[in-house]
Amino acid sequence: ETGVTQTPRHLVMGMTNKKSLKCEQHLGHNAMYWYKQSAKKPLELMFVYSLEERVENNSVPSRFSPECPNSSHLFLHLHTLQPEDSALYLCASSQDRRTSGVYSYNEQFFGPGTRLTVL
Amino acid sequence: KQEVTQIPAALSVPEGENLVLNCSFTDSAIYNLQWFRQDPGKGLTSLLLIQSSQREQTSGRLNASLDKSSGRSTLYIAASQPGDSATYLCAVRGDSSYKLIFGSGTRLLVRP
Repeated sequence: ETGVTQTPRHLVMGMTNKKSLKCEQHLGHNAMYWYKQSAKKPLELMFVYSLEERVENNSVPSRFSPECPNSSHLFLHLHTLQPEDSALYLCASSQDRRTSGVYSYNEQFFGPGTRLTVL
Repeated sequence: KQEVTQIPAALSVPEGENLVLNCSFTDSAIYNLQWFRQDPGKGLTSLLLIQSSQREQTSGRLNASLDKSSGRSTLYIAASQPGDSATYLCAVRGDSSYKLIFGSGTRLLVRP
């Protein structure tokens, strides 16, 4: 067990549904990430919350909305998705540091993923 | 723009063989490089992390090397076992960047 959990593990939804993916990390980290893994494509970063800053990948459609209420929990809210959004959604966390304006990024630990199917 | 390439895309070897997986990246200004393992339908397991100032890291039967100037990393697996069968992913992090750029992975099958 990696210390990063994700629920649900599998999700099937229609295009008009609204659902949320949840990620929780038990590692005491201060940064959390959402990645998308589609068939035959490299892993793509979607969103990151690091050191209380949210950094957004500009290519992510607005039908994906992240929420990070605290350093241990991360959500991905989904609405009006398309079939091409079907993928494995992975959450990760890391312990990042900022000293005198210089960032130090450390190893990322991943959860087991949520397999999403959009009908 | 950083691009990460992994060759070969797939590899099948008999049990006990030593093997090398390759990763190349186009921008040598990296912060660190991380190797992962992914079993089918599962998340990623971190294997080794190499900081930009390091040349190699070892963990058990795994050894990863880094040559920043040539934009290359290799993952060496000694005495391969069927349990090593998985997809191996390489990812690089740029200087002062939160972003990991992943390769497409090498799918490894170790035959008993």
